[in-house]
Amino acid sequence: QQQVKQSPQSLIVQKGGISIINCAYENTAFDYFPWYQQFPGKGPALLIAIRPDVSEKKEGRFTISFNKSAKQFSLHIMDSQPGDSATYFCAVPRGGSTLGRLYFGRGTQLTVWP
Amino acid sequence: NAGVTQTPKFRVLKTGQSMTLLCAQDMNHEYMYWYRQDPGMGLRLIHYSVGEGTTAKGEVPDGYNVSRLKKQNFLLGLESAAPSQTSVYFCASSQGRNTGELFFGEGSRLTVL
Repeated sequence: QQQVKQSPQSLIVQKGGISIINCAYENTAFDYFPWYQQFPGKGPALLIAIRPDVSEKKEGRFTISFNKSAKQFSLHIMDSQPGDSATYFCAVPRGGSTLGRLYFGRGTQLTVWP
Repeated sequence: NAGVTQTPKFRVLKTGQSMTLLCAQDMNHEYMYWYRQDPGMGLRLIHYSVGEGTTAKGEVPDGYNVSRLKKQNFLLGLESAAPSQTSVYFCASSQGRNTGELFFGEGSRLTVL
């Protein structure tokens, strides 16, 4: 049973363009909604996270938009760079407490062409 | 600061063999987890621990056992390996606060023939 639906599966963007990755969840969740970034041969690392009482959070070129009523959130990467080429995962806390029990999306492989 | 260290990084097993993956963290985190990552499937939680001496099942626990005898270590065991357990295994730890932040190791790639 898929709790988190992430799209698209792959994304190709030109340098300087905007990358947008979407995530929809099914369960009722209360805590932080994180996005993770993973480079080949490495473990995932937290990129940015948002609390559900906030509609948008921006950190540098990365922005999360959150729509609680629609149970959707998205990652926007402005001015995409070749160094952003990686796999991105959204995650949703399991039940009412994060405690690391996260449902992960299936990932989006982003390629940024120079 | 090493963070989360996994050993071994690579291993090839024959069906029916057993092995143990070791995870060590030096951040004094209470919570530790084992995930597996398969192509197109994201990360799925196998087992987790909320403190020394505790373990609990995640989404896909069948065929695996774990132990947390020391706070800094979390072991994942395969008693009788099957080809379906070919995967990349990631250990992670967290402080336990509700921030959504897990610290991952670099992974252990296991192939079962």
